[in-house]
Amino acid sequence: QQPVQSPQAVILREGEDAVINCSSSKALYSVHWYRQKHGEAPVFLMILLKGGEQKGHEKISASFNEKKQQSSLYLTASQLSYSGTYFCGTEDGSGNTGKLIFGQGTTLQVKP
Amino acid sequence: DGGITQSPKYLFRKEGQNVTLSCEQNLNHDAMYWYRQDPGQGLRLIYYSQIVNDFQKGDIAEGYSVSREKKESFPLTVTSAQKNPTAFYLCASSSQGLSSYNEQFFGPGTRLTVL
Repeated sequence: QQPVQSPQAVILREGEDAVINCSSSKALYSVHWYRQKHGEAPVFLMILLKGGEQKGHEKISASFNEKKQQSSLYLTASQLSYSGTYFCGTEDGSGNTGKLIFGQGTTLQVKP
Repeated sequence: DGGITQSPKYLFRKEGQNVTLSCEQNLNHDAMYWYRQDPGQGLRLIYYSQIVNDFQKGDIAEGYSVSREKKESFPLTVTSAQKNPTAFYLCASSSQGLSSYNEQFFGPGTRLTVL
């Protein structure tokens, strides 16, 4: 079942912070975050695994609450380059399939 | 440079025709994936392959077929049985397909339009 992202869209001024949430009805093994600019391919941001392991960019932070089956992506001191659509991809079960189900996306627009 | 290439970038098809979308990677990745993206929507998994000569259906496999004869190639055929094929198609790959700790690298996509 597709995870639910919130908010659907957000508009920021440069330097402001934003939080994007991803919620699933299933127990999750991992959560992946990607950013996609219009007409381009999604680009990897972060992976969070059950048990606390993380891998991602230095300037991006995220959390994973296994009990609540939720993940949040934190964008601080936003820059114009942060604009795009953010997707979470979730993997349920015991993992080790690499099969992700993506949310519907959150559109972020950063204005000068 | 290592990466994933998809061709063509734009493809137009008449109703009733089969078309094949190409996906090639030189990253030496084991796993490859095909996604479909509709306007304003997320990515939906069509097929995926974790090893050569093996592949599994994703959530929307009906009307599509794939092959994985070589590690670097994972072509997708959109058949005439796919009722609404107009969409943006993305191919991705990841190393060690059985591990969740590996990000997926995406190709630039093919935009398919049915006339």
